[in-house]
Amino acid sequence: NAGVTQTPKFRVLKTGQSMTLLCAQDMNHEYMYWYRQDPGMGLRLIHYSVGEGTTAKGEVPDGYNVSRLKKQNFLLGLESAAPSQTSVYFCASWDENPGPSYGYTFGSGTRLTVV
Amino acid sequence: GEDVEQSLFLSVREGDSSVINCTYTDSSSTYLYWYKQEPGAGLQLLTYIFSNMDMKQDQRLTVLLNKKDKHLSLRIADTQTGDSAIYFCAMNSGYSTLTFGKGTMLLVSP
Repeated sequence: NAGVTQTPKFRVLKTGQSMTLLCAQDMNHEYMYWYRQDPGMGLRLIHYSVGEGTTAKGEVPDGYNVSRLKKQNFLLGLESAAPSQTSVYFCASWDENPGPSYGYTFGSGTRLTVV
Repeated sequence: GEDVEQSLFLSVREGDSSVINCTYTDSSSTYLYWYKQEPGAGLQLLTYIFSNMDMKQDQRLTVLLNKKDKHLSLRIADTQTGDSAIYFCAMNSGYSTLTFGKGTMLLVSP
């Protein structure tokens, strides 16, 4: 199993450009998440999904949109990138089976720089 | 919402024990986790503890939970240079979301 795969791994954007980050999981998990990681800030939840066709806002949703059209994919979009969105973005997935004790499975991250 | 605090940095010598601490505000969390992040990588689940437990041991790892003081700790016995990483505590805030601390960078010197 590949687990959780994020593409791209690195990207440099100019202010105002748009892009989509793709997260794909092959574990048939219901729940998927997008976090951003910034120095000294830990991980902050951007958006999440509790199943195909659903999305919900997390702690820092402004400037981002998400879609979960297929169960295995969770897309994070930046419509007009800003330097404040320079960060490392992590996708994670989880399912009730086998249960909460297994925690989240994380992707390896996308490092985004907005200049 | 949940507030989770960790010390930012810990330095130990190889062979010593490391203790990483975490405090939290919401006592309703059911599961409490420790994750490890190596440079350039995502987070990996190290261990977890149920809220109705006080202690859990898993090989070199010991998790202690003091619910009264809302304090969670991770002890790594016989710390090795390969243990150098950032360690995050996390707990469920609501059924399906986790709140993470800011992470503790552990540096193990030979």
